[in-house]
Amino acid sequence: TQLLEQSPQFLSIQEGENLTVYCNSSSVFSSLQWYRQEPGEGPVLLVTVVTGGEVKKLKRLTFQFGDARKDSSLHITAAQPGDTGLYLCAGDRAGGTSYGKLTFGQGTILTVHP
Amino acid sequence: GAGVSQSPSNKVTEKGKDVELRCDPISGHTALYWYRQSLGQGLEFLIYFQGNSAPDKSGLPSDRFSAERTGGSVSTLTIQRTQQEDSAVYLCASSLFGGAETQYFGPGTRLLVL
Repeated sequence: TQLLEQSPQFLSIQEGENLTVYCNSSSVFSSLQWYRQEPGEGPVLLVTVVTGGEVKKLKRLTFQFGDARKDSSLHITAAQPGDTGLYLCAGDRAGGTSYGKLTFGQGTILTVHP
Repeated sequence: GAGVSQSPSNKVTEKGKDVELRCDPISGHTALYWYRQSLGQGLEFLIYFQGNSAPDKSGLPSDRFSAERTGGSVSTLTIQRTQQEDSAVYLCASSLFGGAETQYFGPGTRLLVL
């Protein structure tokens, strides 16, 4: 059973289009993080959201944490080929460990065509 | 300063052989995590170290898997009698103190068991 359901798994779009990736759970998380991973490299942290309803923006990327802290979304505006990669959500379960044990979603492979 | 490094980058082994994977965390980071990533998928937690102790080994798939950390620095993940299902990318991450601190990932070791 996947604790964090991430969708879609694959996304292939044209340059300039907008897209949204979703990360859903039935569990509450203390915080939720979004990572981007390039081939042959480890994941790199993009953002951490900790407050229910929180919205963070990173240039063309907008991250939102659900009010109940069970879900999150990543929205990319005017996607560019450089956005191509694997996007991962990961959460630190509320009431769980205190040492940062992360639960990851399955990931979304994004391909942006020129 | 250097990031997290892992060696070897790639490892091809025959079924039944033992392998050792090494992780050098960022200097001064007390927390160290091992994760496993199947092709194009999210990460699966294996084990957490705080200093040289491993308070959480709950993610190790079987007793063929073991890990140690010495001097509060380098960690080694050992897989005995490898099986084809062990083929994956093994990622190591470190953080300053654990908890909500940002985890920095190494590039991973790609293990292929023939």
